[in-house]
Amino acid sequence: QVQLQESGPGLVKASETLSLTCTVSGGSFRSHYWTWIRQPPGKALEWIGYIHYSGITEFKSSLQSRVSMSVDTSKDQFSLKLSSVTAADTAVYYCARPLGFCSGGLCPFDYWGQGILVTVSS
Amino acid sequence: DIQVTQSPSSLSASVGDRVTITCRASHDIMNSLSWYQQKPGKAPKVLVYAASSLETGVPSRFSGSGSGTTYTLTISSLQPDDFASYYCQQYYSAPLSFGQGTKLEI
Repeated sequence: QVQLQESGPGLVKASETLSLTCTVSGGSFRSHYWTWIRQPPGKALEWIGYIHYSGITEFKSSLQSRVSMSVDTSKDQFSLKLSSVTAADTAVYYCARPLGFCSGGLCPFDYWGQGILVTVSS
Repeated sequence: DIQVTQSPSSLSASVGDRVTITCRASHDIMNSLSWYQQKPGKAPKVLVYAASSLETGVPSRFSGSGSGTTYTLTISSLQPDDFASYYCQQYYSAPLSFGQGTKLEI
């Protein structure tokens, strides 16, 4: 059974860098484009971007200047960094895996982490 | 970027009702559309992908249809467990985008 689990600080100060890690268990880590999605409280889902174990990435253009992602294949983990955060970055952050049949990063998602609320404080 | 407009934003219905939610994309997305159900405090759960393919384990009262720029999710006979929020997502091109959601209430 595939499981994803987000971890990281739940509180980040404005102008600092948000850092989250997603640990994957079960399944093949190298077969997928691992994705970050966020959801501000009471609002819709927003795709942030994805990373493949080979290092291929694609990010939402409006976030591209502040986003980076990395993978640690030895631990089956991938990470998100978002710099210069503001209150607008307060959200539940999810890591997700594309549906198994889907190649590439442009996919629907069947496995999600439970989500982690990150609050940006002033 | 492809914009996805979902309607209605909220919907009141009763057990046994048939309900339909619609998503309209700003460009033809070639059936690259999925539907999710989300309950409070939980991650979304995929119901339908490729516009009309039901994910394994999803009850058959859920169905998806559409083509081009307009897609619908239909629940044929609402059950108590179906009261939740629903989102559509286009995955035809980056950036992937989601609809604004539909809150289905009793």
